[in-house]
Amino acid sequence: DIVMTQSPDSLAVSLGERATINCKSSQSVLYSSNNKNYLAWYQQKPGQPPKLLIFWASTRQSGVPDRFSGSGSGTDFTLTISGLQAEDVAVYYCQQFYSSPPMWTFGQGTKVEIK
Amino acid sequence: EMQLVESGGGLVQPGRSLRLSCAASGFTFDDYAMHWVRHAPGKGLEWVSLISWNSNSIMYADSVKGRFTISRDNAKNSLYLQMNSLRAEDTALYYCVKDMSRGGSGWPLDHWGQGTPVTVSS
Repeated sequence: DIVMTQSPDSLAVSLGERATINCKSSQSVLYSSNNKNYLAWYQQKPGQPPKLLIFWASTRQSGVPDRFSGSGSGTDFTLTISGLQAEDVAVYYCQQFYSSPPMWTFGQGTKVEIK
Repeated sequence: EMQLVESGGGLVQPGRSLRLSCAASGFTFDDYAMHWVRHAPGKGLEWVSLISWNSNSIMYADSVKGRFTISRDNAKNSLYLQMNSLRAEDTALYYCVKDMSRGGSGWPLDHWGQGTPVTVSS
């Protein structure tokens, strides 16, 4: 099974500053036939279900603010929130959807708070 | 508006069964694969099961294989999870989740219900 490891487990960032979350997979999630990384990022606010932010490592889901961006390839990925807003307080999860047979695994989550 | 509404959760004794349902609306249900994902207290998200648009492809996490059965009724826009031989470690909030593809391969999960809680305890 592909294991997803996020760092840090939590971070506190001042309003308007940048937040950076890292995600590492135990094996590559780059699908060579289409050159897509099968990696997604989700945001979960308290009392709400997760919401898809980014997929294929860097494609922003429709309606997601452009302060959210994803980067990386292979086994190392980053979610960046440029200019943290109060409404961005949440737990963020990375997820791979590469493995065969299909097995969708999530990182342990990173809690983002306001400093 | 796309909606997924889960039901059927509750308190159940170890070894007993429970059937979860998910009513879908606001999109063409039989065009998409569907999943169940759970979130145990104090733990991270765990994928449970996938069913393709036409039920031809079904997958389970090792932790539930042989005990849980996923199914769908496209005529009723509904997804189900039959959970047998329940254990304490199955205690979690169970989410019904829509895939962005028909087969559940290569695409992420783009819409989640609010979840239905399952507590397994004597």
